[in-house]
Amino acid sequence: QSVLTQPPSVSGAPGQRVTISCTGSSSNMGAGFDVHWYQQLPGTAPKLLIYGHNNRPSGVPDRFSGSKSGTSASLAITGLQAEDEADYYCQSYDTSLSGTVFGGGTKLTVL
Amino acid sequence: EVQLLESGGDLVQPGGSLRVSCAASGFTFSSYTMSWVRQAPGKGLEWVSGISATGGRTYYADSVKGRFTISRDNSKNTLHLQMNSLRVEDTAVYYCAKGHGDVGYDYWGQGTLVTVSS
Repeated sequence: QSVLTQPPSVSGAPGQRVTISCTGSSSNMGAGFDVHWYQQLPGTAPKLLIYGHNNRPSGVPDRFSGSKSGTSASLAITGLQAEDEADYYCQSYDTSLSGTVFGGGTKLTVL
Repeated sequence: EVQLLESGGDLVQPGGSLRVSCAASGFTFSSYTMSWVRQAPGKGLEWVSGISATGGRTYYADSVKGRFTISRDNSKNTLHLQMNSLRVEDTAVYYCAKGHGDVGYDYWGQGTLVTVSS
């Protein structure tokens, strides 16, 4: 059971918009800690996708965006492409656990 | 170009020990907190441990506290994770990552597989 809750899977057709939710609590996102998102393509290491709610590292397309409100956050992907098919993880810091926490991951399928 | 290269993964028996390492290059290693994150086969990501830039502060997940020790050698740009009293449930790919929970992990290594089995 992950501290941050994500849906196990989402899907969408090419060109569509999908969102992935991430629900936390008062000891992580609700305490003001940033949320970060990672993309993990099959057989590869995770890659930072969004940091600090809605900042994109160099090279990440602006089709990816993040938002946060209270104890929840979401990742939005617009103009869905086949290469977006991957696992996506949210991550924050938890003051009760004194450590990093991850969501359980969401598998995105491009139909 | 930032590179993180893990090594040392192996098959080890339950109760055994193993040390995995991460060689860093392309950035000022001694200026950054470094961490280990693992991923069991077919499962999600789990933070394991972190160490401050100077090595003066270390942090551990409850699941490994008292069994694992993180360390770093800033003169050699190397991060280590000493794993003792290994359990079957420690089987995972261990990733070295630059950063910590507050700011996220901006670079990851390719991972090294640790298998604990009899």
